[in-house]
Parts: sequence; structure tokens; C-alpha cells
Amino acid sequence: SQELEQSPQSLIVQEGKNLTINCTSSKTLYGLYWYKQKYGEGLIFLMMLQKGGEEKSHEKITAKLDEKKQQSSLHITASQPSHAGIYLCGADERGAQKLVFGQGTRLTINP
Amino acid sequence: GAVVSQHPSRVICKSGTSVKIECRSLDFQATTMFWYRQFPKQSLMLMATSNEGSKATYEQGVEKDKFLINHASLTLSTLTVTSAHPEDSSFYICSALRGLSYNEQFFGPGTRLTVL
Repeated sequence: SQELEQSPQSLIVQEGKNLTINCTSSKTLYGLYWYKQKYGEGLIFLMMLQKGGEEKSHEKITAKLDEKKQQSSLHITASQPSHAGIYLCGADERGAQKLVFGQGTRLTINP
Repeated sequence: GAVVSQHPSRVICKSGTSVKIECRSLDFQATTMFWYRQFPKQSLMLMATSNEGSKATYEQGVEKDKFLINHASLTLSTLTVTSAHPEDSSFYICSALRGLSYNEQFFGPGTRLTVL
């Protein structure tokens, strides 16, 4: 089965700094999804990537999928307190009709 | 945007009792709903896939008789934790699929279950 490894597991950054979260898959990614979760709440969909080399941006968040489609990164520029939360990557597991998730990255933004 | 609600948001129960959690898609019909379990500082683990009008498909290792899932309508799925024990304490999240793609999957706010 497909496994996703996220790094780092936790991250503390100063407000205004840039940061990157990585998601590495044990198999080729056919659909990679990034979500944000606030503690004790549900997931909010951020972006979906499907094509090798694809890059998408929304406000100050940019997600990329590498050419080999086995690794994705989420980059936040000029971080703000509102960016704090848990970021999870999810992958569409082909043939199984379900999403598998990474273990999450807990992001803390210090003022 | 699409909204998925869960009720209750928190529940505390005694060991041995059963607890029902509801998941509703408020402004769309969902033929497929998913139930996840999340342990502290861990990822979401899919428990089962629920399709309207048919039996749920459980993931390996999830006890069907312990976690009863009913998807009675296109907007409602329920998860019943039967004879709950302290080890069942967890955060349960449901999601509903509005279309065919997972970017059309909308998550509920979760239910925190504590079994004493």
C-alpha cells in the first residue's frame, strides 16, 4: 500500500519567515492533495496536484509536485499567525479508491 | 462552499455504552462518505467507506461489529461505536464526496469521543 512521509513533523517559525513542508511517497503519485487542519477541527482543502512538475499557488501558499511524481512540497511565503495549524498531504491510492494521508506537520508561527 | 456537519462535536460516555455520531452533508448530496479516526499527533486513518443504500466497506483491522456504519440517505451517514471502551477514545472525522474527484471531498469538523 502507498505510504506518505511528511517532514518535518513540527515546525516553529517566526512570523514573516518562509517555510517549506515536504511530502514523500513510496509510490508514484497520481493525485496529491494538501489540506490544513486546525487542532480539533476538520480538514480544509488547499490544493491538488496531478501532473509531474505542476505548481499551484493560492495567496502565499505554493505547492509543487516533482517531475517523478513522488515528492511534493508546500511553501509558505511571509508566514502569518493565520497559517498556524497542521498540514497534511493526501494521495489518491490507485485501485483502492481512497486517500491515504501523511502523518501531518504541525506549524507554529511565533509573533 | 460545501458544508459537512458532525454531531455531536464532543461526547463523553461510560465504558460499555454505545455512541452514535452523525455526519451530514448540508448543501449537497453525497453518494460516498468516509469515516476516519485520528489519534493525537497522528494522521487520519480511514476506517470505512460508506455508500448510500449499500453496506459499508471497512478497512483491514477495523471491526465491523464494533463500528456500525449506516448511510441511510444521500445526506446522512452514522457511525455507532458499540460497547465502547477507553481505547476507542479518539477524534472521529467524516467526509463526504460531492463529485468524483477527491478535491470534491469535504470534511466534517470532527467528533471527540472520550470513553471513561
